[in-house]
Amino acid sequence: GAGVSQTPSNKVTEKGKYVELRCDPISGHTALYWYRQSLGQGPEFLIYFQGTGAADDSGLPNDRFFAVRPEGSVSTLKIQRTERGDSAVYLCASSLRSGLSSYNEQFFGPGTRLTVL
Amino acid sequence: KQEVTQIPAALSVPEGENLVLNCSFTDSAIYNLQWFRQDPGKGLTSLLLIQSSQREQTSGRLNASLDKSSGRSTLYIAASQPGDSATYLCAVPLPGGYNKLIFGAGTRLAVHP
Repeated sequence: GAGVSQTPSNKVTEKGKYVELRCDPISGHTALYWYRQSLGQGPEFLIYFQGTGAADDSGLPNDRFFAVRPEGSVSTLKIQRTERGDSAVYLCASSLRSGLSSYNEQFFGPGTRLTVL
Repeated sequence: KQEVTQIPAALSVPEGENLVLNCSFTDSAIYNLQWFRQDPGKGLTSLLLIQSSQREQTSGRLNASLDKSSGRSTLYIAASQPGDSATYLCAVPLPGGYNKLIFGAGTRLAVHP
């Protein structure tokens, strides 16, 4: 079956603009994660959804960042008033489910490379 | 707080060499440890996942070991090939944290002919 897909693959925007990044998880996966990867670093957690609700948004850097998953499938990461420091690769991952005492393998999408000029 | 460190940060070897990549973590209370491969401009491909009860996992020329008590894992690549050139990342899920993954910064591997 299809893996995790992300669109766009590349996004170039100007400082101060608003951007939306989309993630389509693997069908049937209820857990969805967003990570951000800066150059030369490993991915860092941003937010986790179980179904439609954000169960953990502790990784969002500030209130310019927001994510939704209204129907429990596709998710959109939204960044307002973009800054040059937001430039990074934004990765999405999905898994069957996740809980406080269990683990299911996460499958990653190809990422969206965001460049803020 | 869980921290994951990878050594070396970069490695360049001639084709055919056997090599070892290292990963260390500060909190030994992990469910498992996962090794990923990342090609330039691409997402992450899972290579091996070692459960906390296991000592090692093998896939083809790759072998990953896990020593929870010492907080270390190694990824062994046998008979390296130019196609192995990529960044290798290790990650552990944060227990009690909905399993968000904590990553190391990666080892950039270059295998030259």
